[in-house]
Amino acid sequence: NAGVTQTPKFQVLKTGQSMTLQCAQDMNHEYMSWYRQDPGMGLRLIHYSVGAGITDQGEVPNGYNVSRSTTEDFPLRLLSAAPSQTSVYFCASSFHDSVYGYTFGSGTRLTVV
Amino acid sequence: AQKVTQAQTEISVVEKEDVTLDCVYETRDTTYYLFWYKQPPSGELVFLIRRNSFDEQNEISGRYSWNFQKSTSSFNFTITASQVVDSAVYFCALVGVNQGGKLIFGQGTELSVKP
Repeated sequence: NAGVTQTPKFQVLKTGQSMTLQCAQDMNHEYMSWYRQDPGMGLRLIHYSVGAGITDQGEVPNGYNVSRSTTEDFPLRLLSAAPSQTSVYFCASSFHDSVYGYTFGSGTRLTVV
Repeated sequence: AQKVTQAQTEISVVEKEDVTLDCVYETRDTTYYLFWYKQPPSGELVFLIRRNSFDEQNEISGRYSWNFQKSTSSFNFTITASQVVDSAVYFCALVGVNQGGKLIFGQGTELSVKP
């Protein structure tokens, strides 16, 4: 049982490049979400999904796209990276009643230069 | 709108002291869940507790205890006899049952326990 798997763990991008952060879970969780963590700002919700084919914007969605074609996968796409997107990104998943809490991946540290 | 406020940015205590981390929340949902997470220096997020808005009983787990008061919209976390291993950033979070998984976090409290 792998839980929530995020890849890559580290990434350096140049301004304007695009990339996809991968997130996969094997717990059959309905809910999945993406957060970014910046110093002093806690975790801010980027996008979230309540099931395959359904996504919605969180607090800071600009510059990011998501899709959820399967229950297991929830990739986050940066369309044109900017230095302001330098951050640590976490993916999370949960059952709809969150009785066991939200399970988080180990994070992706992204630097945009 | 949902909001979680952790007013204490940093707390420093000496080992064996008791420490309370404050969490105040805002929501229009009548049914909601509150959470505490721990983020040690290694960076992973560790689930500590989930509390249903209908259950106002305090909970104790070893040296950890949680005080949920709906009347003041607070969900405070106390560590008794703190240890150096408790040093971490602690996050409080909230999701309304009608918010479709939109879990919102507070800014976090960095706890430093010195020997």
